[in-house]
Amino acid sequence: GQNIDQPTEMTATEGAIVQINCTYQTSGFNGLFWYQQHAGEAPTFLSYNVLDGLEEKGRFSSFLSRSKGYSYLLLKELQMKDSASYLCAVSSGGSYIPTFGRGTSLIVHP
Amino acid sequence: DGGITQSPKYLFRKEGQNVTLSCEQNLNHDAMYWYRQDPGQGLRLIYYSQIVNDFQKGDIAEGYSVSREKKESFPLTVTSAQKNPTAFYLCASSIKGEYAFFGQGTRLTVV
Repeated sequence: GQNIDQPTEMTATEGAIVQINCTYQTSGFNGLFWYQQHAGEAPTFLSYNVLDGLEEKGRFSSFLSRSKGYSYLLLKELQMKDSASYLCAVSSGGSYIPTFGRGTSLIVHP
Repeated sequence: DGGITQSPKYLFRKEGQNVTLSCEQNLNHDAMYWYRQDPGQGLRLIYYSQIVNDFQKGDIAEGYSVSREKKESFPLTVTSAQKNPTAFYLCASSIKGEYAFFGQGTRLTVV
């Protein structure tokens, strides 16, 4: 099976930078996804890491270390609309089925 | 525009009743998934299908059933055997190995 851990909740100030960590244990790792989910809505795709290193996409960046089973999502220049849940998901094995962590609820305050 | 559509958005079920949640995609994706989300929880996999006429149980398949008669459609039936069905149900599709697109979800409540 897989074990994916994320912090339950984080708070940050508008305009600041926040890092959301995700650790995982799995066999047959294929890749790691980050999704954003606003309350009552569907998750939307943010990033996908297959190889070690940093992937940058505008205000959002995601990092992966496969040897450490570790990823983080970095959000810069935080805006109030970034208040949401951030889900880490790992794809592994031949089926490539993504398994999700419990999500990190990010609260951005003025 | 391509996308994935779930219906209805809200559904109420009486005790002992079976209900079916619809999921349709026009993205030409082979893989489709059903997840359940409870308050403050992550997504748990109910069933998945990677090809027409074939599907596999996920982590919490008991009390649910699915079919995949067409590539575009992957309906989920919540049976009376599911003792705690109140939850937010999310359908998703993907090209194998790539990120999943999600439908807008169905919120099921037992009354």
